[in-house]
Amino acid sequence: NAGVTQTPKFQVLKTGQSMTLQCAQDMNHEYMSWYRQDPGMGLRLIHYSVGAGITDQGEVPNGYNVSRSTTEDFPLRLLSAAPSQTSVYFCASSYSGVLGGEQYFGPGTRLTVT
Amino acid sequence: GDSVTQMEGPVTLSEEAFLTINCTYTATGYPSLFWYVQYPGEGLQLLLKATKADDKGSNKGFEATYRKETTSFHLEKGSVQVSDSAVYFCALPNQGAQKLVFGQGTRLTINP
Repeated sequence: NAGVTQTPKFQVLKTGQSMTLQCAQDMNHEYMSWYRQDPGMGLRLIHYSVGAGITDQGEVPNGYNVSRSTTEDFPLRLLSAAPSQTSVYFCASSYSGVLGGEQYFGPGTRLTVT
Repeated sequence: GDSVTQMEGPVTLSEEAFLTINCTYTATGYPSLFWYVQYPGEGLQLLLKATKADDKGSNKGFEATYRKETTSFHLEKGSVQVSDSAVYFCALPNQGAQKLVFGQGTRLTINP
């Protein structure tokens, strides 16, 4: 199993550009999520999905869109990049949500917006 | 709301030293508690967990005990190695918000 994979590993964008961060998992997990990691702030939830066709907002959703057309994939779209979105982005998945079970994290995408 | 507070880092120790990273939490009820570790250039991975009061989670020589009286889940290891250098995150689940609530992370560096 590859686990959770993310692409690209690094990306530099100019303000106003758009892009999609890819996330895929091969563990047949229903729950997937996106976090951003900023220095001194831990990780904050952007969006999550409890199954194909179902998505919901986390605590910092502004400027980001998601969709979940398959169980395996959960892409994160930046609509119009801003310097405040410079961060490291992690995708995570688990079998059944956040209670008790282990979250599996991808290796991250380091995004810089200039 | 739910929150997790970790001791501020960075923490620098010599090999074979004793390690404690403090973690306290505020939560409704008695949620599971987790320690995640992030090695350089990698994503987070679960280090250990405890699902109820007085449970002790352990893995790779690390231990943490769920103390509801002091709302704490401190991470300990008796003899650290250079390979333990990483960032450590304490976390708890918030079911209503379908998210993990993380502490700010503690960067640990072990010198040979």
